[in-house]
Amino acid sequence: AAGVIQSPRHLIKEKRETATLKCYPIPRHDTVYWYQQGPGQDPQFLISFYEKMQSDKGSIPDRFSAQQFSDYHSELNMSSLELGDSALYFCASSLAIPGATNEKLFFGSGTQLSVL
Amino acid sequence: AQKVTQAQTEISVVEKEDVTLDCVYETRDTTYYLFWYKQPPSGELVFLIRRNSFDEQNEISGRYSWNFQKSTSSFNFTITASQVVDSAVYFCALADSGGYQKVTFGIGTKLQVIP
Repeated sequence: AAGVIQSPRHLIKEKRETATLKCYPIPRHDTVYWYQQGPGQDPQFLISFYEKMQSDKGSIPDRFSAQQFSDYHSELNMSSLELGDSALYFCASSLAIPGATNEKLFFGSGTQLSVL
Repeated sequence: AQKVTQAQTEISVVEKEDVTLDCVYETRDTTYYLFWYKQPPSGELVFLIRRNSFDEQNEISGRYSWNFQKSTSSFNFTITASQVVDSAVYFCALADSGGYQKVTFGIGTKLQVIP
């Protein structure tokens, strides 16, 4: 079965550089979530999209932006990278309709970002 | 505000022992959803179970079982006859019924199964 695809798997950047992380949800899933997991930490919600519109926002820095495209894939853009941005970034998708019964989240394998 | 507490940060057991991972949650919602995820050393998050707040039936899936008790706001996870492949970080998580999911994770419990 198709899963959530994230690319790249690993990314190394220097301070003040920019990075773009991509997420391809499971086919027919219209909701995408981004999480940041620092070393030894639990995943922290960043932002989510439903039907190409931002649906919720968590602890996402102003230096980051994200969008969901017409094919439902999503990109997380990170600018002016800082050392503290080094983390595992997860994307998750679900087939969830606003106000309806929640469905389970399916996570991608994550993108490991290292900022040097 | 939602909160998930996993008081055990690390647990070590010898293979074939049973182990229970604790999870206590806080929410003001009457409808909510509880999850357990496994994160093996390879890093990906693997869905294990989802339970809604109206279903307090305990569930068993092979060597895994879950005990949901609303009275104590707990959703504990037991692995029976643990195996080395069970070594991972296990996250308990909580989602409200707001339609748009925003899952709150616990800090995770690192389980090490020693051969």
